[in-house]
Amino acid sequence: DTEVTQTPKHLVMGMTNKKSLKCEQHMGHRAMYWYKQKAKKPPELMFVYSYEKLSINESVPSRFSPECPNSSLLNLHLHALQPEDSALYLCASSRDMANSPLHFGNGTRLTVT
Amino acid sequence: AQTVTQSQPEMSVQEAETVTLSCTYDTSESDYYLFWYKQPPSRQMILVIRQEAYKQQNATENRFSVNFQKAAKSFSLKISDSQLGDAAMYFCAYRGQGGSEKLVFGKGTKLTVNP
Repeated sequence: DTEVTQTPKHLVMGMTNKKSLKCEQHMGHRAMYWYKQKAKKPPELMFVYSYEKLSINESVPSRFSPECPNSSLLNLHLHALQPEDSALYLCASSRDMANSPLHFGNGTRLTVT
Repeated sequence: AQTVTQSQPEMSVQEAETVTLSCTYDTSESDYYLFWYKQPPSRQMILVIRQEAYKQQNATENRFSVNFQKAAKSFSLKISDSQLGDAAMYFCAYRGQGGSEKLVFGKGTKLTVNP
């Protein structure tokens, strides 16, 4: 069982839809991450929150909007996505942003039609 | 910028045998952290083993061990007594020391375990 929970597991959305991905951890971790992973590729960092503040934005298009309501929750709001945004979206958390290892969730498989 | 190279896109091993996955990295830092992550078809990235660069002793976790050669910037993963459940993508990753260092991944090695 994963200690980082992501919902939904699968999501199919049209290019005009608005949807949200959710991530939750109860390990007391203060850093949370969104990664995008295409098939047979390593994860690519999108955003990092540290102590509930956005710390890193890897020049992600504005159609992806992260939100960290509290230290346990991380959302990724999606709007007007393109088919090329179809991918596995992984959430991760770590004790802090220093050297502590990342713990990943099972991901959300997103398909944009 | 730091880079991580995994030169073996695919590897296979017979059940109960030993296999070594290669990883090299490039960095100008003296203190950093190295990780091996496993990603089975279930999709979750699972931490297999970690190594602190300042530690000379190679990390070991049950059947998994590393050969860390700091001067050569090499960090290989050895899996002993391979099991069918070891089949997965394996990613080598680097993280510098500091407050905002990103995790840099290699491209991954797909390991197949043959019964």
